[in-house]
Amino acid sequence: EAQVTQNPRYLITVTGKKLTVTCSQNMNHEYMSWYRQDPGLGLRQIYYSMNVEVTDKGDVPEGYKVSRKEKRNFPLILESPSPNQTSLYFCASRPSSYEQYFGPGTRLTVT
Amino acid sequence: TQLLEQSPQFLSIQEGENLTVYCNSSSVFSSLQWYRQEPGEGPVLLVTVVTGGEVKKLKRLTFQFGDARKDSSLHITAAQPGDTGLYLCAGAKGGKLIFGQGTELSVKP
Repeated sequence: EAQVTQNPRYLITVTGKKLTVTCSQNMNHEYMSWYRQDPGLGLRQIYYSMNVEVTDKGDVPEGYKVSRKEKRNFPLILESPSPNQTSLYFCASRPSSYEQYFGPGTRLTVT
Repeated sequence: TQLLEQSPQFLSIQEGENLTVYCNSSSVFSSLQWYRQEPGEGPVLLVTVVTGGEVKKLKRLTFQFGDARKDSSLHITAAQPGDTGLYLCAGAKGGKLIFGQGTELSVKP
């Protein structure tokens, strides 16, 4: 089944404790993105990648890192999480068209 | 500044009613997409419109792209409780996909 998977689905952590949210797609898509979704603000892009080893900042990259060492994986790293990074995070992938395929989401709470 | 403005943000209607959701911008987009998101899940693509003035139908849902490719609308005929969810529009511009803030639709039986 063609899909985007994310892990973990739920995470509660404390300020400053490094964490990684994994994302994997099995559709051989070149483009992958990370979004955060907050009430009233919609989906905002954090980082995106156009191919292996090619990444670029989205609209809200501060406090986040990404890497794209393999085509199928695009992990999101929070080196020192803060409470304002409490949010619902989505990984997405797409082919050369703009039609995004989203993962199921990761709900992160930073206390 | 929100590049894509959706209205209304919240909509609560009775089963059988018709409704329209609007997605407006001052920018021109090469294409525009509509997604539907249910609680606890990621958004799922409903449709992509590419040509100015284009109309696409998906059962009871009708999508229209404005002639100038700056706006779009989603019309639902005879809404059903299963239509409940968050509807998101997204415009493609300069290699990026820009999302509206969403319309939360609740259809009561």
